[in-house]
Amino acid sequence: QVQLVQSGAEVKKPGASVKVSCKAFGYSFTDYYIHWVRQAPGQGLEWMGWINPSSGGTNSAQKFQGRVTMTRDTSINTAYMELSGLSPDDTAVYFCARLYGFNKNDEGFDIWGQGTVVTVS
Amino acid sequence: EMVMTQSPATLSVSPGERVTLSCRASQSISSNLAWYQQKPDQAPRLLIYGASTRAPGIPARFSGSGSGTEFTLTISSLQSEDFAVYYCQQYNNWPSYSFGQGTKLEIK
Repeated sequence: QVQLVQSGAEVKKPGASVKVSCKAFGYSFTDYYIHWVRQAPGQGLEWMGWINPSSGGTNSAQKFQGRVTMTRDTSINTAYMELSGLSPDDTAVYFCARLYGFNKNDEGFDIWGQGTVVTVS
Repeated sequence: EMVMTQSPATLSVSPGERVTLSCRASQSISSNLAWYQQKPDQAPRLLIYGASTRAPGIPARFSGSGSGTEFTLTISSLQSEDFAVYYCQQYNNWPSYSFGQGTKLEIK
C-alpha cells in the first residue's frame, strides 16, 4: 500500500529545533519529490518546501529559508524536515506529501502523511 | 510572490445544492492549479489537477474550470460528506508552490 508515515508528536521549547521524519512505503522513493506543508491551529495550509529524494536537491519558501533543512536517507526511504529557531508561531501540524506527475505539465500532492503535531511552548 | 486568493471564506449551503468556489491567482498560472479537500483532523485529499481533471477516485459531482488567473470548483449536488474546507494550490511558479487560504463549506 502506497503511504507516507510520519514521526510522532513533538513538544519543544522556544529556540529549539525539531526534526520530523516521513517514511515512504509501497513505491519507489526516489521517483517522486516530497513536499512539506504545515497548518497552524485553525489556519490554512502553508507550503514550506520540497526535496528531490533522488538528488537530494531542495527548495524552500522564502519565509523559511535559513531555518529549514530538508534531507533524505534513501537506504530507509525516509525524508526529514528540520526546523530551527522555533517560536510559538511554529506550533502546527506538519505534513509531508508526495508530488505525483500526472503528465508532462500536471501534478498534484496525491499521497499525504498523517501529520505530525509540533507544539512550541 | 504568487498569491492565491479564495472566496468566499465561508459558504453556508444545504445538502443537494450546487455550489461554486472561487480561486484567483495574482499572476497568470495557465492551468497549473489543483484543488484539495480537507476534513477535520485529516490530511488534505487531492480532488482536481490541471484546473479541470479529476484525480483518480473523485466523484463526478466535482468539477473544475478556469485558466490564467480565475478558477472555480463546482460541486453539482452537495452530499453530507462534502462539508469540508477546500484549498486551491498553484504549481506554475516552480520551484515555489502556494495555497489559497481556503473556503469552508458549512451546513446551512
